[in-house]
Amino acid sequence: GAVVSQHPSWVICKSGTSVKIECRSLDFQATTMFWYRQFPKQSLMLMATSNEGSKATYEQGVEKDKFLINHASLTLSTLTVTSAHPEDSSFYICSARDQRGDETQYFGPGTRLLVL
Amino acid sequence: DQQVKQNSPSLSVQEGRISILNCDYTNSMFDYFLWYKKYPAEGPTFLISISSIKDKNEDGRFTVFLNKSAKHLSLHIVPSQPGDSAVYFCAASASNDYKLSFGAGTTVTVRA
Repeated sequence: GAVVSQHPSWVICKSGTSVKIECRSLDFQATTMFWYRQFPKQSLMLMATSNEGSKATYEQGVEKDKFLINHASLTLSTLTVTSAHPEDSSFYICSARDQRGDETQYFGPGTRLLVL
Repeated sequence: DQQVKQNSPSLSVQEGRISILNCDYTNSMFDYFLWYKKYPAEGPTFLISISSIKDKNEDGRFTVFLNKSAKHLSLHIVPSQPGDSAVYFCAASASNDYKLSFGAGTTVTVRA
């Protein structure tokens, strides 16, 4: 149980294009999902909290117009990196919290983004 | 400001022996603590958690100890196995805010 998937697992795109990453909770419902970013050899940095049916909450320093988040259902959140640039290249990871459970977050496998 | 700290970036232990990973936190509002294991280019895998009403939680080879007065927790892995070689992250959250704060991670290497 508590499986979270992400798609795609990796993507290479040209500078200026937009990239959408999907995060799905496969066997539970998640009113809250989270998007993280990890740079090489660093810890996970929370970017935003995705709330089903409402606007996402962004952490300080994260551009909401740059990183669009949509949480349209209890099992799906999407992160769109708009007008991607090479500095957006990173490892993006989502997590989900089972609405019936405790505060444990279950993580997806991550998406490696490379912007050329 | 780093609210969760893992001061040991790496740990090397012989197979079969105990691995002890340490974590300190500064935010007194944290009341739920978790340990995750992570391999390169993969998402973190949940290992074990503990709520602030307990001081110990055990699951198989993994035991987490919490010392609230010292704002310190530790993860014990015994016996250590080669497959345990990975990066271990300590994380914490407050009950009124489900966001997780992560430590910097400790890379564990289990030697055969």
